[in-house]
Amino acid sequence: SQTIHQWPATLVQPVGSPLSLECTVEGTSNPNLYWYRQAAGRGLQLLFYSVGIGQISSEVPQNLSASRPQDRQFILSSKKLLLSDSGFYLCAWAVGQGNIQYFGAGTRLSVL
Amino acid sequence: DQQVKQNSPSLSVQEGRISILNCDYTNSMFDYFLWYKKYPAEGPTFLISISSIKDKNEDGRFTVFLNKSAKHLSLHIVPSQPGDSAVYFCAASDSGAGSYQLTFGKGTKLSVIP
Repeated sequence: SQTIHQWPATLVQPVGSPLSLECTVEGTSNPNLYWYRQAAGRGLQLLFYSVGIGQISSEVPQNLSASRPQDRQFILSSKKLLLSDSGFYLCAWAVGQGNIQYFGAGTRLSVL
Repeated sequence: DQQVKQNSPSLSVQEGRISILNCDYTNSMFDYFLWYKKYPAEGPTFLISISSIKDKNEDGRFTVFLNKSAKHLSLHIVPSQPGDSAVYFCAASDSGAGSYQLTFGKGTKLSVIP
């Protein structure tokens, strides 16, 4: 069966520090991968998605970036965090012609 | 421009009664619709979906209805249980777009009162 791992679960970072969140998927090949953010009291905002290794599409211009160094690995990064980067970050995957996305447990990021 | 709207931020229902969560969309290219359930500090869990070729899909206590002419869908939970208390997100996709992106509503917080 397929599983998705996302870590860390909680992260507190000072403004201006770098960020690296990692997501890996097991049990499937060539998944579509997604990064979402849920800000307090708001819905899910798609940040990046990838349909293959090295292919990244950005939905929202910001100081975040994403990379997909391996088929089942998706990384969200920032060189310098802003206060507005605080939120709940979610990784998701989907395969084939299906539109169902499956989510990881999320990372709660607090930028102070 | 919000393409998927959940106009009720919250809903309270008595245990055993029916919960009806509503969702409206504006993009006529959307042809696949999903409901997700989310508990605090967890990722959303897929609940049920419906293709635009259908107007109803049922899975146990959960039924989704789609009214394409009104661009409206609803999720019915019968009977409601306290464990159903969560935030419910409606999502939609245009499968012809090729990237399998989902557009989410802002969610409705359901509270089932024992």
